[in-house]
Amino acid sequence: DVKVTQSSRYLVKRTGEKVFLECVQDMDHENMFWYRQDPGLGLRLIYFSYDVKMKEKGDIPEGYSVSREKKERFSLILESASTNQTSMYLCASSFPGLAGGYEQYFGPGTRLTVT
Amino acid sequence: DQQVKQNSPSLSVQEGRISILNCDYTNSMFDYFLWYKKYPAEGPTFLISISSIKDKNEDGRFTVFLNKSAKHLSLHIVPSQPGDSAVYFCAASDSGTYKYIFGTGTRLKVLA
Repeated sequence: DVKVTQSSRYLVKRTGEKVFLECVQDMDHENMFWYRQDPGLGLRLIYFSYDVKMKEKGDIPEGYSVSREKKERFSLILESASTNQTSMYLCASSFPGLAGGYEQYFGPGTRLTVT
Repeated sequence: DQQVKQNSPSLSVQEGRISILNCDYTNSMFDYFLWYKKYPAEGPTFLISISSIKDKNEDGRFTVFLNKSAKHLSLHIVPSQPGDSAVYFCAASDSGTYKYIFGTGTRLKVLA
């Protein structure tokens, strides 16, 4: 069974803090993704990575950065947290290659609240 | 511009009846589609997929139908069970890219 784990289930941070969200997968997947889920907006892609040290912007990258130093680990960084980054953050991974034919496996999510 | 739309935010169905969840897309390049189920405080779990070379795919109680000319897909759950109560997301991909575009989700409530 594919397992995708996220470092925290719930996190409360103050405005302006630097926030690290970590994701680890155990299936040797090449592709990893970070999404945020907000009511009425569905899942929106922040960043993805198709290989170690490779990253691509998704649809809403502003205010975020990522790091992929090892294949199994993909980190999302909020350089200076703001209240509009309060959200559910979901990490996913998938088999190598382009999207068609491969489903993504999701972690349990981190509910981040920025006060 | 929302390329994948789930126009019904919520749906209630009696236990044992059919649930039909709908999804529309605008990009004719999309050629692979997924459905996910999501319970509160959990990550989405993959349910079923369909490629554009097919118009139907079944897996147990779940069937996905694809109408390419209408750019429409639907998920049928028969019979519906209370444990099916969750938010359902459809997702679409152009196989020339790495990423999926997700819809906004439909909350299904199956009444016992």
